[in-house]
Amino acid sequence: DTAVSQTPKYLVTQMGNDKSIKCEQNLGHDTMYWYKQDSKKFLKIMFSYNNKELIINETVPNRFSPKSPDKAHLNLHINSLELGDSAVYFCASSQPHRADGTDTQYFGPGTRLTVL
Amino acid sequence: GESVGLHLPTLSVQEGDNSIINCAYSNSASDYFIWYKQESGKGPQFIIDIRSNMDKRQGQRVTVLLNKTVKHLSLQIAATQPGDSAVYFCAENRKFSGGYNKLIFGAGTRLAVHP
Repeated sequence: DTAVSQTPKYLVTQMGNDKSIKCEQNLGHDTMYWYKQDSKKFLKIMFSYNNKELIINETVPNRFSPKSPDKAHLNLHINSLELGDSAVYFCASSQPHRADGTDTQYFGPGTRLTVL
Repeated sequence: GESVGLHLPTLSVQEGDNSIINCAYSNSASDYFIWYKQESGKGPQFIIDIRSNMDKRQGQRVTVLLNKTVKHLSLQIAATQPGDSAVYFCAENRKFSGGYNKLIFGAGTRLAVHP
């Protein structure tokens, strides 16, 4: 009964390939996110979707294309992989617009992408 | 012991001691702050949060202090245990158009607990 799940956990691929990472949440949240964590542990938001609509795009190269088939899923497709794409990618979800103003994000276990 | 959460410094403490992890945030308009714990090979896990209309909030063995004047946040862990060893991140919540939120994470602090 994992709240936010991602597949695969590890992904090793050659430069130039295209790959996808999948994310699913069973928390009933409206908003989902993709983050990239570099080798120095710095976490940076890439995208956010609310009810299948893109609301944040943090100047990510257009080789990265998120897709949200429904509000419980947010997948990340990466074209023409480059060495610099190697990182850990985290999916998260939250339920914003709460009356108390809080918006806690819950994270998945991460996908470690290694581009050779 | 104390540490500032920049460039992933390491805070080393003895088991049973209290730990204080510090964080500076940048935007005075941020209204909500969260501390996350990330264990090796796992995703960030929510620990405790605080809204900007408060200056202190307590949880189980953890306390968050917020000083809006100097834009500073701290996480205090009482009676630190080996299981507390992890990287700790503070995050500030910023609102943008449409009423949506964006979390801006600090650089993280690694807490190492020694028996």
